[in-house]
Amino acid sequence: DAKTTQPTSMDCAEGRAANLPCNHSTISGNEYVYWYRQIHSQGPQYIIHGLKNNETNEMASLIITEDRKSSTLILPHATLRDTAVYYCIVRVASWWRDDKIIFGKGTRLHILP
Amino acid sequence: NAGVTQTPKFRVLKTGQSMTLLCAQDMNHEYMYWYRQDPGMGLRLIHYSVGEGTTAKGEVPDGYNVSRLKKQNFLLGLESAAPSQTSVYFCASSRRDRDATNEKLFFGSGTQLSVL
Repeated sequence: DAKTTQPTSMDCAEGRAANLPCNHSTISGNEYVYWYRQIHSQGPQYIIHGLKNNETNEMASLIITEDRKSSTLILPHATLRDTAVYYCIVRVASWWRDDKIIFGKGTRLHILP
Repeated sequence: NAGVTQTPKFRVLKTGQSMTLLCAQDMNHEYMYWYRQDPGMGLRLIHYSVGEGTTAKGEVPDGYNVSRLKKQNFLLGLESAAPSQTSVYFCASSRRDRDATNEKLFFGSGTQLSVL
């Protein structure tokens, strides 16, 4: 089973910030949070990742709560091209590990014109 | 850079036929994965490999076999295809960091498989 839970779908008005939540209440101290998105039927695309500090790149910002049990992906100015399924996953940061990466069903984000 | 290449892109099989899907990556990645995606569903892990010569089962391994004889290639085999295996198959790869700080997944463009 996936170690994360996300809302099934969300709407956001074009030009507004899209805030996508993710719960990972059983996350371990050495697990990173990664976000990916899948546009239409293409292969998923990496967005951002973090361990415990907030992160920002050219695509998005990632806010991780202090207890690390949840996070929020922020798309600051959503456009129609951001309509996609967004996946939140956790990944162990350990040299020796069983690297079974499980995706959930993700959140289907609709950007409304 | 080619990245992750999947072949074929489309395939139609009859029940009971066999086939092999090829995933090739040119990024010298250690980790490789096979996922399937059914309509309206998320990605489900079939098999994965943490290095050349090693494979492991994912969430839904039944009916599939894999091999990683070369580091750059990860093959997914269907010995006797069934209609339930109609799906879109995605391959992914990732490098292996010593402290795993930046192990983003790179995905192929997918293979649409229909089993009649």
